[in-house]
Amino acid sequence: QVQLVESGGGVVQPGGSLRLSCAASGFPFSSYGIHWVRQAPGKGLEWVAFIRYDGTNKYYADSVKGRFTISRDNSKNTLYLQINSLKAKDTAIYYCAKTPPGDPYNFDYWGQGTLVTVSS
Amino acid sequence: QSALTQEASVSGTVGQKVTLSCTGNSNNVGGYAVGWYQQISHGAPKTVMFGNSLPSGIPDRFSGSKSGTTASLTISGLQPEDEGDYYCSTWDYSLNAHLFGGGTKLTVL
Repeated sequence: QVQLVESGGGVVQPGGSLRLSCAASGFPFSSYGIHWVRQAPGKGLEWVAFIRYDGTNKYYADSVKGRFTISRDNSKNTLYLQINSLKAKDTAIYYCAKTPPGDPYNFDYWGQGTLVTVSS
Repeated sequence: QSALTQEASVSGTVGQKVTLSCTGNSNNVGGYAVGWYQQISHGAPKTVMFGNSLPSGIPDRFSGSKSGTTASLTISGLQPEDEGDYYCSTWDYSLNAHLFGGGTKLTVL
């Protein structure tokens, strides 16, 4: 069955960096685009970034552009999110979400999320 | 980036049919398939509909539709376990970004 397992979250000071990972299994990882979505405490879902199946195209929300970098290693079935220059407003649960077959614009499976807390 | 517009809250009784809406414009809802995601008790989101497709394991009392720039999620035969937050989302080609609605809190009375 499809599994997405995020890791790498933690407590970090403002201005710091983290690298989040999303380990995928149960499907041909190299054939699917993957998104990162986050949810701040008590808030709604916010899209963060998307990477195509082959890593050739990447898209970012304005709120993270220039600070976050999405990447993937298809040989390791793993998605990454490098997050730099962290701000308090980046505090959130970060989810990775797989796209459905033939539809890069939606999500069919989600991970359980990893919590990033930005605090001094 | 602007969010899609959803009702803040909707309620219904067990067995009732309820419809949640998601309004955007021609750059997003009007041009792309819309997804719907259920979140219960702040757990991980779960996909209940994408485009016109029902993911495996989702009961067929969930259905989706779209008319122009408004998409709808209909739950026929509301059940207590359907209570939660529902979000819609889709791609916006003018922004080259994915947009979410603000979410609808569904209460089963």
